[in-house]
Parts: sequence; C-alpha cells; structure tokens
Amino acid sequence: DTGVSQDPRHKITKRGQNVTFRCDPISEHNRLYWYRQTLGQGPEFLTYFQNEAQLEKSRLLSDRFSAERPKGSFSTLEIQRTEQGDSAMYLCASSGQGYYGYTFGSGTRLTVV
Amino acid sequence: RKEVEQDPGPFNVPEGATVAFNCTYSNSASQSFFWYRQDCRKEPKLLMSVYSSGNEDGRFTAQLNRASQYISLLIRDSKLSDSATYLCVVNSGGGADGLTFGKGTHLIIQP
Repeated sequence: DTGVSQDPRHKITKRGQNVTFRCDPISEHNRLYWYRQTLGQGPEFLTYFQNEAQLEKSRLLSDRFSAERPKGSFSTLEIQRTEQGDSAMYLCASSGQGYYGYTFGSGTRLTVV
Repeated sequence: RKEVEQDPGPFNVPEGATVAFNCTYSNSASQSFFWYRQDCRKEPKLLMSVYSSGNEDGRFTAQLNRASQYISLLIRDSKLSDSATYLCVVNSGGGADGLTFGKGTHLIIQP
C-alpha cells in the first residue's frame, strides 16, 4: 500500500444515472476526505470521515450525494440522478493524526453527458 | 471575501529567476497552512507546510504573516520542472476539519 487509490479513474455517464466511486486510503490513516475540483478551481471540500464516522459535510454535498466508510477503511461516494453540473474531478485524500497535510489519490474524473 | 485568495497568474518566469507569490486568507482563527503543487490533470501534492517562523526547503521558502493574514512562497533558481499550479491551503481547525484550497497560481518557467 503505497498511496491513496481511487477507482475508476474515469467515468462517463448519462444524465440521470447513478454513479459510485471508491477510495482506498493509506492503511494507517484514520482520516479520509472527499473533494471536488472543476477546471480552473482549487479542490472544494465535500466531506470528512474519522474512522467510520462522517464528521462533517459541506453545503456542496446535496441530498443526491452520499458517502460512506462502513469499516473505517475504504470509502464510497455515490451520486444519484447525476446532472451535467456534477462533471468534475472527485479527489479522495487521507491523513493521519494532526494537520500535516493530506495524501491525495489520482482522482476520478466524472463526465455527465 | 473568499476564504483563500490567490492571483491565478499565469506567472511567466525565465529559468533561473526567483519568483514569489502570495495568498491571503480570511479566517483569523486559521491554524495550519500549506503549499500544494498540482501538475496538469494530476492530483495535488504537498509541497511544504508553512510555519509561523517561516521555513525553507531547498530552493523553496514559505512565510506566514498572521497579522496581515497572508502566506507567501518564494522559489529561487527556478527550474523548468517547477512549472505547475501552486495551491495555497488553509486549515481553520475547530469544527471544520477540511482544508480550504485557493484556486491556485499558475507558474510557467520558460527556457
């Protein structure tokens, strides 16, 4: 385990379909984060887990979005009834105790057509 | 006012030159500060943390000015490989555990 893994790398879906992304953090990291990044913008915070507990959700996380981390290891991010505005790079990051910076995965690039 | 603001650039700089850019943040309670580097279509990677006393890592120097609420990054003897987007990142602590990213400053080092 050398880093944060995200799957799939790319996803093209039709508007209205549901999609699910997976993130496998660095194994010893107990904190896991989801961010979204669109072209020309910095990553925007979506949600955060400490172990299996979802401790914070951004206002960006509408009711069509749900994230889970059932066993405190990998996490999934599901988007229901996708819209074209959901097209973005979805980044997962993990960290250990303390604010010493995150390690990001390579991201999942979602295109909604 | 946005939480973290950066000049998007691009900054076009000749190889070997020194370049500096700043970032301002709005939350005076912010506790942790970082610079991340992001290459085109890649994920952000931690470049360096920013400490209150300022810190240096090779050709890179980061400084924090709490009174004026800005962070700076200085790159000396710039290399072609320094071309990237540099993201200013702030953690406000408290109940907001997520990092807040600026939009980034695009740096292009020209031969």
